Amino acid sequence: DQQVKQNSPSLSVQEGRISILNCDYTNSMFDYFLWYKKYPAEGPTFLISISSIKDKNEDGRFTVFLNKSAKHLSLHIVPSQPGDSAVYFCAASAQRSRNTGKLIFGQGTTLQVKP
Amino acid sequence: AAGVIQSPRHLIKEKRETATLKCYPIPRHDTVYWYQQGPGQDPQFLISFYEKMQSDKGSIPDRFSAQQFSDYHSELNMSSLELGDSALYFCASSARGFGAFFGQGTRLTVV
Repeated sequence: DQQVKQNSPSLSVQEGRISILNCDYTNSMFDYFLWYKKYPAEGPTFLISISSIKDKNEDGRFTVFLNKSAKHLSLHIVPSQPGDSAVYFCAASAQRSRNTGKLIFGQGTTLQVKP
Repeated sequence: AAGVIQSPRHLIKEKRETATLKCYPIPRHDTVYWYQQGPGQDPQFLISFYEKMQSDKGSIPDRFSAQQFSDYHSELNMSSLELGDSALYFCASSARGFGAFFGQGTRLTVV
């Protein structure tokens, strides 16, 4: 049972354009969401997070949008750069239940930004 | 800034052997998580510790055990290794459960 889903295994965009990565979740107990960037054979690197009390969080070129009613979040990268090419994981946790915040990951989306 | 340190980075073991992976969390982080990532898969939660006590358990085989020590470092012990245990093992730490910062991982290869 995949509680966090990233239905697009890959995405290719041109440098300078917007990259939009999508994530859906099924567990209504999730109230904290994160995006990680991962290079092969390295640990996931935290990018940006959002709490369920917000619907948008912005940090530089990265913006995360949360639609709680649709159980959907997205990561926007503007403008996209070739160095953004990596695998992006969406993750969710349920803080309210105080289960220590273990993260449930999506399957990942491989982003390729072409020069 | 100090990050999560994992050792070793690479480990090769034979079937039925034992492996011990170590994790040193970010200072003042109270929670440690262990994840396993197989080839082409997303990271799967194994186990977590909050203030040195096991706090949650995921899909961790009975052959695996883990603990967190008084200095907050954690060790994942894996016995009777199987070929299917070959994977990247990540440790992460967080403060009060908000987000998690990951180490570089240990690549375990069982031959």
